[in-house]
Amino acid sequence: DTGVSQDPRHKITKRGQNVTFRCDPISEHNRLYWYRQTLGQGPEFLTYFQNEAQLEKSRLLSDRFSAERPKGSFSTLEIQRTEQGDSAMYLCASSRAPGPLYEQYFGPGTRLTVT
Amino acid sequence: AQSVTQLGSHVSVSEGALVLLRCNYSSSVPPYLFWYVQYPNQGLQLLLKYTSAATLVKGINGFEAEFKKSETSFHLTKPSAHMSDAAEYFCAVSELHGSGNTGKLIFGQGTTLQVKP
Repeated sequence: DTGVSQDPRHKITKRGQNVTFRCDPISEHNRLYWYRQTLGQGPEFLTYFQNEAQLEKSRLLSDRFSAERPKGSFSTLEIQRTEQGDSAMYLCASSRAPGPLYEQYFGPGTRLTVT
Repeated sequence: AQSVTQLGSHVSVSEGALVLLRCNYSSSVPPYLFWYVQYPNQGLQLLLKYTSAATLVKGINGFEAEFKKSETSFHLTKPSAHMSDAAEYFCAVSELHGSGNTGKLIFGQGTTLQVKP
């Protein structure tokens, strides 16, 4: 169990640029979640996958955001035409199965700064 | 819809003193509740969870929480604070809806715990 990893840890980009983040979940986990955390706030749900299927997207996820999980392994989160309001910590979590009985393990996050 | 409210965005205690972090929830059905800790520039780590078994839940690092349905509360406590407990603490509820549990978490706004020597 090597834990959930995220890459990059930090990203600084200019407004209008596209960025892509990667999350590698714990290998046997079939659930993968993305959350966004702004300064001084708790994480907010963005989207989640069961294997390769994206089952739900939050209203926070505008058309500029897209997430994939090809082959049910790693996941990517892309933000197109970044805006300053996108500056936040993007957290990924994985779990063995749905439901509260299975702990969500969080990665260290990717901190995005849009200038 | 479920929600979580954490009372007090900042709590300061002296080393060795009791830690009490407050969390109240709103849910029309029995909730599943969690406490997570976040150290600077790190992800979240689960401290403990309530899943309708014992109302007093013991977690890691000496923390515990008691589920009180009558008060809709799930406060986090630790008898004696240690300097290493200084961090951000989040209370969360697992979302429930008609088709069951999605597993996604709804978090409170967090409480920063400061421990003074």
